[in-house]
Amino acid sequence: DTAVSQTPKYLVTQMGNDKSIKCEQNLGHDTMYWYKQDSKKFLKIMFSYNNKELIINETVPNRFSPKSPDKAHLNLHINSLELGDSAVYFCASSQGPGGETQYFGPGTRLLVL
Amino acid sequence: AQSVAQPEDQVNVAEGNPLTVKCTYSVSGNPYLFWYVQYPNRGLQFLLKYITGDNLVKGSYGFEAEFNKSQTSFHLKKPSALVSDSALYFCVWYNFNKFYFGSGTKLNVKP
Repeated sequence: DTAVSQTPKYLVTQMGNDKSIKCEQNLGHDTMYWYKQDSKKFLKIMFSYNNKELIINETVPNRFSPKSPDKAHLNLHINSLELGDSAVYFCASSQGPGGETQYFGPGTRLLVL
Repeated sequence: AQSVAQPEDQVNVAEGNPLTVKCTYSVSGNPYLFWYVQYPNRGLQFLLKYITGDNLVKGSYGFEAEFNKSQTSFHLKKPSALVSDSALYFCVWYNFNKFYFGSGTKLNVKP
């Protein structure tokens, strides 16, 4: 009965590969987010969707493409992985986009070799 | 630039002592401010938030924070620290659909 789940938990891959991370929430929330946490634990928002519509798209390389097939899912596809993409990626959800409390997934640790 | 700042990378406190994790903000208007906690190898968990109303906000696990407009601060406090409070704490500012995270403060509570 996990509220926000992510798969996989760990991802080790070679430079140049393409990979996807999946996120699902069972809270009935309308808004979902992707965050990147770097090695210094700094957190930055990448994308946000509200009712399957993109509402935030930060300065992120276009190798990163989010997809929201429905309100409960937000996936992140990364093309041509680079060493600098190594980080922990967190998915989160909230009731709505207006400063509501966010609920975070456990994170996906991506290591690009 | 508008932001939140956490001036301490690390705070050390003995179990049973009061703890304070500092946050200052530099934003216009009335800020939405939050505290989140991240335990090792885990996702973030919501502790408390200030939107409007009482300046003293009570949250989860016995934590509280005081919104101080004159000092532009939103420090996180707890009267008696537990070893299990050891974690990374983030002060967060919400503005126009975006959440801006402070740099984080690592709290170490020693037995």
